[in-house]
Amino acid sequence: DQQVKQNSPSLSVQEGRISILNCDYTNSMFDYFLWYKKYPAEGPTFLISISSIKDKNEDGRFTVFLNKSAKHLSLHIVPSQPGDSAVYFCAASASAGGTSYGKLTFGQGTILTVHP
Amino acid sequence: SAVISQKPSRDICQRGTSLTIQCQVDSQVTMMFWYRQQPGQSLTLIATANQGSEATYESGFVIDKFPISRPNLTFSTLTVSNMSPEDSSIYLCSVEGLFFGSGTQLSVL
Repeated sequence: DQQVKQNSPSLSVQEGRISILNCDYTNSMFDYFLWYKKYPAEGPTFLISISSIKDKNEDGRFTVFLNKSAKHLSLHIVPSQPGDSAVYFCAASASAGGTSYGKLTFGQGTILTVHP
Repeated sequence: SAVISQKPSRDICQRGTSLTIQCQVDSQVTMMFWYRQQPGQSLTLIATANQGSEATYESGFVIDKFPISRPNLTFSTLTVSNMSPEDSSIYLCSVEGLFFGSGTQLSVL
C-alpha cells in the first residue's frame, strides 16, 4: 500500500507566482515529514522538514504546512523561479531520533516546471 | 552537512553478474541507508546499513540478493547480485535520512 501519496504527477507555474505541491499520507505513526528536490542524475536534496507537533515551518521562499487531521501536507514556494524546476518528493519518517530522520517513506514525486 | 561520494555513477552490466556500489561519507555518521528508484517510481528503502553488524532489510529485499557491508562509520557498500533486467534502477545511499549520494544508474542487459 502507498503510505505517502503525491497525486499530482506534474505542476506548471509562471515565474514569480506561487507553487503549491501536495502530499497525503495514511500512517498515523509518521512524526516527521520532509520535502526533497531532485534534479536528473543527482540525488535528492533536502529542502525543509516539519514535525508532527507543528502545523507550519518556513525557510526563505519555502513553507511547509501540515494538516494532521486530514493527513495532508503541502509545500509552498513563493516566488517561484525557473531554477526551482525539478522533481519534488515528500517523505515521511516514523523512526526519527538523535541527528537522524531514520527510515523514510517517499511519495511518487511531482515534476515542477517554472516558466520564465 | 555531509558530503557523500557514491561510485560508480553509472554502469551497464550483463545478466547474471554482480555489481558493488560504494558510498563514502566525509564524516562519521550513525545511520546509513540504501534506496532504490525504479524507472518512473518513487524511492524505496532497501535496507539500513548497521556498523559492525548485519544490515536490516525491508520487506521484499533479502541479503542474498543485496548484501551490504558497513565496516566503519564513514563507508558502506551495496552489492546487487545475480542481476536481471528487473534490477535496472537508480541506487542511492543516504545518511541520517537527510543527505543522499548522487546515485548509481544501473542498466542490466
